[in-house]
Amino acid sequence: DAGITQSPRHKVTETGTPVTLRCHQTENHRYMYWYRQDPGHGLRLIHYSYGVKDTDKGEVSDGYSVSRSKTEDFLLTLESATSSQTSVYFCAIKPQDHTGELFFGEGSRLTVL
Amino acid sequence: KQEVTQIPAALSVPEGENLVLNCSFTDSAIYNLQWFRQDPGKGLTSLLLIQSSQREQTSGRLNASLDKSSGRSTLYIAASQPGDSATYLCAVEYTGNQFYFGTGTSLTVIP
Repeated sequence: DAGITQSPRHKVTETGTPVTLRCHQTENHRYMYWYRQDPGHGLRLIHYSYGVKDTDKGEVSDGYSVSRSKTEDFLLTLESATSSQTSVYFCAIKPQDHTGELFFGEGSRLTVL
Repeated sequence: KQEVTQIPAALSVPEGENLVLNCSFTDSAIYNLQWFRQDPGKGLTSLLLIQSSQREQTSGRLNASLDKSSGRSTLYIAASQPGDSATYLCAVEYTGNQFYFGTGTSLTVIP
């Protein structure tokens, strides 16, 4: 158990509303990631973090922002949700530089109506 | 953009059969390659990690191999069981601590 908790696990919202997803880890690992998973596209990286206040964009970062003010929490925010952001969002952590495995949370299913 | 491909997209086998899942990648300068299992509605579970200096890793009935020069990895499952039914994904890690995923192979083991 890598100690990763995602919240909320399920959310339905309307177009134009802000949404924040939270990823919490209990082991103080340095690297944290947000992915989205969609049929036909597999997992695509949205943003990742390599330390407190250190974040970088992934391949599908438009429309998303992140924050990491504490080692244990990595927040993903959709400032104004759109229907194209309906997806399953996964948080992942990587305990070590270059030699560590990637561990995933259980996912957050977001539906934007 | 790094490309990771998994073929076939779906596979159905009778129980007890040995099977091989394939993963190919375009850039051989990898750090690690990792195989995952995903059950419906669940997160990804790590199965095996192969570091770039390694050729294979084994865990129980699973054996993963890596050939960087040809850009390929295989996941061998021995004596398949219905409980092995799931989607299997491979992920390649390159410099910058970024991972690129294949779209997965959906495996069904028929009792």
